[in-house]
Amino acid sequence: EAQVTQNPRYLITVTGKKLTVTCSQNMNHEYMSWYRQDPGLGLRQIYYSMNVEVTDKGDVPEGYKVSRKEKRNFPLILESPSPNQTSLYFCASSWPGGSYTFGSGTRLTVV
Amino acid sequence: QKEVEQDPGPLSVPEGAIVSLNCTYSNSAFQYFMWYRQYSRKGPELLMYTYSSGNKEDGRFTAQVDKSSKYISLFIRDSQPSDSATYLCAMRIGGGSNYKLTFGKGTLLTVNP
Repeated sequence: EAQVTQNPRYLITVTGKKLTVTCSQNMNHEYMSWYRQDPGLGLRQIYYSMNVEVTDKGDVPEGYKVSRKEKRNFPLILESPSPNQTSLYFCASSWPGGSYTFGSGTRLTVV
Repeated sequence: QKEVEQDPGPLSVPEGAIVSLNCTYSNSAFQYFMWYRQYSRKGPELLMYTYSSGNKEDGRFTAQVDKSSKYISLFIRDSQPSDSATYLCAMRIGGGSNYKLTFGKGTLLTVNP
């Protein structure tokens, strides 16, 4: 089944403790992206990647890092999480010019 | 002015009603238009994908694009409780190498039995 898999689905952590949210797709898509979704603000792009070793900032990159060492994986790294990063996170992938396939989401709470 | 505007609702309708969901946009370079449906605690899933102006129908769903007015709509006929979800419009400029989608904030729809 074609899908984007995110882990974990739910995560509660403390301020300053580094964490990684994994994202993997099995569709050989070139493009991958991370979004956060907050009430009243909609989906906001954090980082995106056009291909292996090619990443760039989206609209709200502060406090986040990404890497793209393999085509299928695009982890999101929070080196020192803060409470304002409490949010619902989605990974998405696509072909050039195509629609996005989204993962099921990761609900992160930073206390 | 935001690039994409979407009324957040919430919208509550009785089962069987015709639902109209709308987005307006300001960037005339947008050429590809999509509607995503997002159930609670789930990721958005593609519902409709259209190019340029006109109508596209898929079962009970019709997507309409009016590029002259910079206005897109999604109509749901014979709405069902299972249609209760948040509906997000999304759009993209032309060109095969352009990946980025610009999303509306979503409209929360509830269909009451």
